[in-house]
Amino acid sequence: DGGITQSPKYLFRKEGQNVTLSCEQNLNHDAMYWYRQDPGQGLRLIYYSQIVNDFQKGDIAEGYSVSREKKESFPLTVTSAQKNPTAFYLCASRVRGRETQYFGPGTRLLVL
Amino acid sequence: GENVEQHPSTLSVQEGDSAVIKCTYSDSASNYFPWYKQELGKRPQLIIDIRSNVGEKKDQRIAVTLNKTAKHFSLHITETQPEDSAVYFCAAPGRGSGGGADGLTFGKGTHLIIQP
Repeated sequence: DGGITQSPKYLFRKEGQNVTLSCEQNLNHDAMYWYRQDPGQGLRLIYYSQIVNDFQKGDIAEGYSVSREKKESFPLTVTSAQKNPTAFYLCASRVRGRETQYFGPGTRLLVL
Repeated sequence: GENVEQHPSTLSVQEGDSAVIKCTYSDSASNYFPWYKQELGKRPQLIIDIRSNVGEKKDQRIAVTLNKTAKHFSLHITETQPEDSAVYFCAAPGRGSGGGADGLTFGKGTHLIIQP
């Protein structure tokens, strides 16, 4: 999982602002995922993508958007429609045909 | 979709004793069950996983058991050490994907505390 990077480590959002979290992997993994982690809630799936130019909504997609223009990149935008964005955001990836998901180091989003 | 329940939420054991964390799942099509360890402020790290074609898997002090009929699986840590202190998460494939291609559904986590 050292080949998955997320930036920034901390991000501050003002009310009404859209912010974008970066996720990059150099593992040649096909599928990429975004999870949100709140205290005591475990991880919840926001969006996922199994191939370039295709992505699917997860369990809590409202207020978020993604793109997958390159195999190695899967950025997540937290829009102003997301009313409670404060959380730890984790990106993960996996090789097609293998189940194991590897996580990036995460981005902690805070609201000013 | 999949529903994963994890117990207990907090577990405190004496160093050297064993720890057991249990999870149940709802989707009978699920066939892959990973366990992740997460230290404070860090990313989750896979520690062991099991597929539905086996009932038990061991890796040194860690083992996982699976009962497909009852839809539950458990993590066993023997001879616990201070560095085992962390939050542990179980997971199962979400959204009926069987092997997790469409993402994982996680339990809420167990905070394991190893008392010296």
